[in-house]
Amino acid sequence: EPEVTQTPSHQVTQMGQEVILRCVPISNHLYFYWYRQILGQKVEFLVSFYNNEISEKSEIFDDQFSVERPDGSNFTLKIRSTKLEDSAMYFCASTNAQGASGYTFGSGTRLTVV
Amino acid sequence: AQSVAQPEDQVNVAEGNPLTVKCTYSVSGNPYLFWYVQYPNRGLQFLLKYITGDNLVKGSYGFEAEFNKSQTSFHLKKPSALVSDSALYFCAVRDMLDSSYKLIFGSGTRLLVRP
Repeated sequence: EPEVTQTPSHQVTQMGQEVILRCVPISNHLYFYWYRQILGQKVEFLVSFYNNEISEKSEIFDDQFSVERPDGSNFTLKIRSTKLEDSAMYFCASTNAQGASGYTFGSGTRLTVV
Repeated sequence: AQSVAQPEDQVNVAEGNPLTVKCTYSVSGNPYLFWYVQYPNRGLQFLLKYITGDNLVKGSYGFEAEFNKSQTSFHLKKPSALVSDSALYFCAVRDMLDSSYKLIFGSGTRLLVRP
């Protein structure tokens, strides 16, 4: 069964450093998402991406965040200057058929900011 | 804007007993509804979805959910709980009028099945 792949599985970074979280969505999917989950809590929507541009972003997705699909397969989330409160699990997801086929989530990247 | 409510932080049930995890939603248009399960230190695993058709949806591991439009609910059920069902369960909704097709999640319900 096709999978969404996320790397790395765990990243530790110093406060103020930039991090890039990587995702490889399912190849024939067209809609891509990033979500954040602070330890054991609610899964929060960050951003949706379609046709090489952001279609919607949440209040959490401020100027320190950016997304990119640089090469037609990878989908990245960049956090420019990390803060302690950015520590969370970050999930990538993709779907096709506007969601009717279901949404496939990656296994997540646990980001720890120290 | 769409929203999802999971009114119970935790549900406790004895193994072999039926379980219900509650979910209600609010959307502007028609909903797509989903249940996901998360085991400790793992990702989100798809259980089942309602898109259209029969209100009773059957999914993985013996779980099912019933779409009730009048009550705007999509409760997750299983006739006989297993200890291995203990996990964090999330209900999610996609509003058909939302052009970004994003999923919005409830706050999650921790299911604890005791032997």
